[in-house]
Amino acid sequence: SQQGEEDPQALSIQEGENATMNCSYKTSINNLQWYRQNSGRGLVHLILIRSNEREKHSGRLRVTLDTSKKSSSLLITASRAADTASYFCATCGIGTDKLIFGTGTRLQVFP
Amino acid sequence: EADIYQTPRYLVIGTGKKITLECSQTMGHDKMYWYQQDPGMELHLIHYSYGVNSTEKGDLSSESTVSRIRTEHFPLTLESARPSHTSQYLCASSAGQGSRGEKLFFGSGTQLSVL
Repeated sequence: SQQGEEDPQALSIQEGENATMNCSYKTSINNLQWYRQNSGRGLVHLILIRSNEREKHSGRLRVTLDTSKKSSSLLITASRAADTASYFCATCGIGTDKLIFGTGTRLQVFP
Repeated sequence: EADIYQTPRYLVIGTGKKITLECSQTMGHDKMYWYQQDPGMELHLIHYSYGVNSTEKGDLSSESTVSRIRTEHFPLTLESARPSHTSQYLCASSAGQGSRGEKLFFGSGTQLSVL
């Protein structure tokens, strides 16, 4: 069964605005990761947050994790047209090292 | 950019053909994976390997097979392609020293169309 579900499915914003994507999952995790995928390409790893962490930053990215609600959010600040892509969360469950990917959020940033 | 390469980038073939999708990485990673992704959908794990001569089936049933004779090479083969195999196939690898799921490095993918 699907582990991660993302919300919204699609998001359109103007350059300079912030973009927030949410990920919910069902079972306890070891870590949660966010990836970016440009159309028709492979995925690129953005950030990994472990189950004992609550927040992590990387450049314009901010990720939060709430294990009590089994949810995570990815915030992209001051978005750019080049941020246009699909963003996926992926969870690593306890006792496994395989990732299960969510359905993705398609972000469109207009110049 | 990750040092993981997939060929071909695009493949259009007829039903019944045998095909091999190539995946190579130069990072010395032990763990390698094949994912299948339909347009706009999530990725599904179809095969993985933890090292030479180690291969396992993933969560999504697939008629494809894989081999791992060399650390750097993890090809995927379809003996008889069918239209239902049309999809994007993504190869990935990880250093994966422990058992806690480290980050994956992905190739650019092979878009397969079976007519």
